[in-house]
Amino acid sequence: DAGVIQSPRHEVTEMGQEVTLRCKPISGHNSLFWYRQTMMRGLELLIYFNNNVPIDDSGMPEDRFSAKMPNASFSTLKIQPSEPRDSAVYFCASGSRDQQPQHFGDGTRLSIL
Amino acid sequence: GESVGLHLPTLSVQEGDNSIINCAYSNSASDYFIWYKQESGKGPQFIIDIRSNMDKRQGQRVTVLLNKTVKHLSLQIAATQPGDSAVYFCAETLWQKVTFGTGTKLQVIP
Repeated sequence: DAGVIQSPRHEVTEMGQEVTLRCKPISGHNSLFWYRQTMMRGLELLIYFNNNVPIDDSGMPEDRFSAKMPNASFSTLKIQPSEPRDSAVYFCASGSRDQQPQHFGDGTRLSIL
Repeated sequence: GESVGLHLPTLSVQEGDNSIINCAYSNSASDYFIWYKQESGKGPQFIIDIRSNMDKRQGQRVTVLLNKTVKHLSLQIAATQPGDSAVYFCAETLWQKVTFGTGTKLQVIP
């Protein structure tokens, strides 16, 4: 089975531009998580969905960040407008239910110039 | 830009020796714990998990110990191999919300 698939793997763009990160979770998983990893703050949960519904977005840093899950097989994380401090690796993970491990994609390395 | 980063503790172990990686968690209500391994350029990879009603769980070459009294987790790797070199994260979970520790870098000396 394919794991969690994220695209693009790398993104370099100028500040002020809109950035869209994409994620395809593992088929059959009903939970999806977006994380950000930086040297300064480590691995942080941004938002998670259960059955395509956002459950907790308390980790979303500010209104410039938004996430959607239009169906069970696709989610996006959008940053508009992007800033240099948004540079990080963004991971998507999916899970099947409580007390089961999440499975991570290989991330999108985002650089905002 | 960032001028100060998280200090990742590093554990250096001779190949073939056993490794022990420790982690303190913060929420006494957390009911599920996971160890992840992260190699450079990749996402965290599941190693082993344990529920709060257990104090020990063994896998292949790995053992997780949970001490709820002092909110402490440890990961033991037997006969450490060069392929075990990576950053290891503990994670505590409550209602699917996962909080990760800062990580420990394991260096295996051939």
